[in-house]
Amino acid sequence: GESVGLHLPTLSVQEGDNSIINCAYSNSASDYFIWYKQESGKGPQFIIDIRSNMDKRQGQRVTVLLNKTVKHLSLQIAATQPGDSAVYFCAESSGTYKYIFGTGTRLKVLA
Amino acid sequence: EAGVTQSPTHLIKTRGQQATLRCSPISGHTSVYWYQQALGLGLQFLLWYDEGEERNRGNFPPRFSGRQFPNYSSELNVNALELEDSALYLCASRADGQGASSEKLFFGSGTQLSVL
Repeated sequence: GESVGLHLPTLSVQEGDNSIINCAYSNSASDYFIWYKQESGKGPQFIIDIRSNMDKRQGQRVTVLLNKTVKHLSLQIAATQPGDSAVYFCAESSGTYKYIFGTGTRLKVLA
Repeated sequence: EAGVTQSPTHLIKTRGQQATLRCSPISGHTSVYWYQQALGLGLQFLLWYDEGEERNRGNFPPRFSGRQFPNYSSELNVNALELEDSALYLCASRADGQGASSEKLFFGSGTQLSVL
């Protein structure tokens, strides 16, 4: 069933195109960031993380960019596929093992 | 390797009853976190347990409580259930120690609690 927010900002992307999902974080002292993917009825799935001493990190088809100056994080998904449809949200931590989560963005992949 | 497991997957209770939710962390993980995800809202932090101790608590009333057992599994108890407690309750675990690998937080699939 639908267990994730109904009124989230939505990004609609054509299959095969690249997706960019943005996140503004709140704490300038945060030094660790994670991106999660949550499909309907499932728990959040770890995608990729980045520490504040980096400004870019790449994974398989995903890239995370960190701009500490404006406290902004983005997740880029290359060649978006139908299976990428989900809610994506970021989390930040300031080294105290306390995590703050964003509200999320719904990604819809159009065939 | 098994991930974080939660039980039950669904739980239906009536107002005023008590609910118990269970979580088994990834093997080797000693920290367990509980979050509430209500419809239309993001993850709200409930509780953090590490090495059997409560390390931090979110802004929830005392009727939300929990514990961590010697094997690092955890229980979340919600007493005197209210309709607004209906939500997906997520458990996450993290490895012990310092360093990059110990900061990654891994989630279970959650328990969907419905209060009627």
